Amino acid sequence: AQSVTQPDIHITVSEGASLELRCNYSYGATPYLFWYVQSPGQGLQLLLKYFSGDTLVQGIKGFEAEFKRSQSSFNLRKPSVHWSDAAEYFCAVGTIQGAQKLVFGQGTRLTINP
Amino acid sequence: KAGVTQTPRYLIKTRGQQVTLSCSPISGHRSVSWYQQTPGQGLQFLFEYFSETQRNKGNFPGRFSGRQFSNSRSEMNVSTLELGDSALYLCASSIDLDTQYFGPGTRLTVL
Repeated sequence: AQSVTQPDIHITVSEGASLELRCNYSYGATPYLFWYVQSPGQGLQLLLKYFSGDTLVQGIKGFEAEFKRSQSSFNLRKPSVHWSDAAEYFCAVGTIQGAQKLVFGQGTRLTINP
Repeated sequence: KAGVTQTPRYLIKTRGQQVTLSCSPISGHRSVSWYQQTPGQGLQFLFEYFSETQRNKGNFPGRFSGRQFSNSRSEMNVSTLELGDSALYLCASSIDLDTQYFGPGTRLTVL
């Protein structure tokens, strides 16, 4: 069965510092991979996605992620965080029917220190 | 384009009651999926509808059901509510085998 692990439940970084959120997946075939962000009381907003091709994908709000098949990872990065980036971040894998069923990690809550 | 809309945004029910939640997908999207989000279990897939047919189903009891109409709008129903059904219910739409876009969710509280 597919699974996603986000090892860090909570991360705190200072404003302006770089950020890396980790995501490891378990899936037998080529995965469809996503990062979503959720602000309190809100739905999920898509940050970026990987389906195929270039393993470094760019997203909105200055985020990028790199797909590493050998490590089964899809880590999210941002070179300089802003206070508005404080939120919960979810990594997800789409299953063999394409992207119709998503399996999510437990999420990483990001806190930004001023 | 308008995003995914869900109604109502907040709902309070008592145990044993039933509830119906509604989701209107992005115009042109024919697939609608439902997810349950709780602090303990995280985000879990409920089911997916495409062209009025349930195409995928998660591991939830039969009390959870859904349907999709010809205009792609979808409803999910939970019968005989239990305290553990308190959650944020998220709807997502997509064109087909593509990216899912989420609505703001319906917060259900069961007392």
